[in-house]
Parts: sequence; structure tokens; C-alpha cells
Amino acid sequence: AAGVIQSPRHLIKEKRETATLKCYPIPRHDTVYWYQQGPGQDPQFLISFYEKMQSDKGSIPDRFSAQQFSDYHSELNMSSLELGDSALYFCASSLDEGAGELFFGEGSRLTVL
Amino acid sequence: GDSVTQMEGPVTLSEEAFLTINCTYTATGYPSLFWYVQYPGEGLQLLLKATKADDKGSNKGFEATYRKETTSFHLEKGSVQVSDSAVYFCALNAGGYNKLIFGAGTRLAVHP
Repeated sequence: AAGVIQSPRHLIKEKRETATLKCYPIPRHDTVYWYQQGPGQDPQFLISFYEKMQSDKGSIPDRFSAQQFSDYHSELNMSSLELGDSALYFCASSLDEGAGELFFGEGSRLTVL
Repeated sequence: GDSVTQMEGPVTLSEEAFLTINCTYTATGYPSLFWYVQYPGEGLQLLLKATKADDKGSNKGFEATYRKETTSFHLEKGSVQVSDSAVYFCALNAGGYNKLIFGAGTRLAVHP
């Protein structure tokens, strides 16, 4: 079965650079979520989109932005990167009526040097 | 606000030992409850879920019962294996846009 696809899997950037992460949800899933997991931490909700509109917002820094496109894939853009942005970024997708079951990708590991 | 509290790890067990990982929650509504597992270097995988009080979720020998009276969703397994070594996250979804709120995670290490 198709799963959530994230790219790139690994990314190394310098401070103050910009990074873009991509997420391709499971076909027919209409909701996409982004989570950030720091080393040894639990995943923290950043932002979600339902039918290409932002549906909820969590602890996402102003330096970050995200959108969901017409084909339902989503991109997380991170600018003015800081050392503290080094983390594993997960994308998840669900059906709006899926009783809260989220399907996670394998994550994109961002390292900021 | 809504929150999840898990027992701190790491939990270290010998193979075939009994496992319990405690999880309690605070929510204003009637949340769905989940256990996710994260193997080293991998993403989060749904282990089991329960959507209403007294439901029991089960998968791969793991079980958890939704206890509304004690606001708990403890994870149990009768006989753990080395391959169960991972980090286990308890989570809730209190409705709305299906946003999950995770506990801090409990690392389980099983030794032969």
C-alpha cells in the first residue's frame, strides 16, 4: 500500500540558509500535518492543511511557512535557519473523517551547522 | 489544554518479561487515544488505538484499554521480544482537525 512520502530524507544546511521539505500524502487523503521532533523529544505539531487550506496551527516559528498544493502534496519552507531547527520533520496524512488516525512518513532529518 | 503524560524511560526488560507503560491524559472532550511506536531511525507507526471508553486496542501482542474513569490508556504486553525495543508514544486526538498531541515517549530496551 502507498505510504506518505517525504523528501529529502536528509538535509544539511548552514545557519541563515533556507530549506524546503516536501510531503506527498497517501492517495485520497485530504489532510496533511507537519510535526517537528527534536533529539530525544516528542513530536510537536507545527501546522496542518485540509483541502489545501490551513486548518490548524501549532508551535510553528514565523520563519517557517507551509502550503498544500492542488495535487495535495505539501511543502514546508524554513528560512533564516538556526541551530535549534535541527530536528526530524515528520509529515502525516489522514482522511478528514479517519477518526484521528494519522499515517506518518519516515521523516526528513534537517541538520543545521 | 489537552495533554498526555507517560511514564519516564528508559524501561529495560529481559526477553519474555511483562511490559506496562503507563499513560494518562487530560482532555476537555472525548478523545480518541493512540499508541505509536518509533523504531530506531524510522518514522512513527500506529500500534493501536481506541476511540471510546472501555474500548480495547490490540496489535502484535500489545493491548491498551481506554479507561475514562481513570483517564488512562496503559500499554501492556505479556511477553516482550528484543524486536520490541523502540520508543513508544501515547497520543490523543481531542477532535477538531485530528491534530495529535503526543506524550514525551518511553524508550523500551529488551535484552536477550
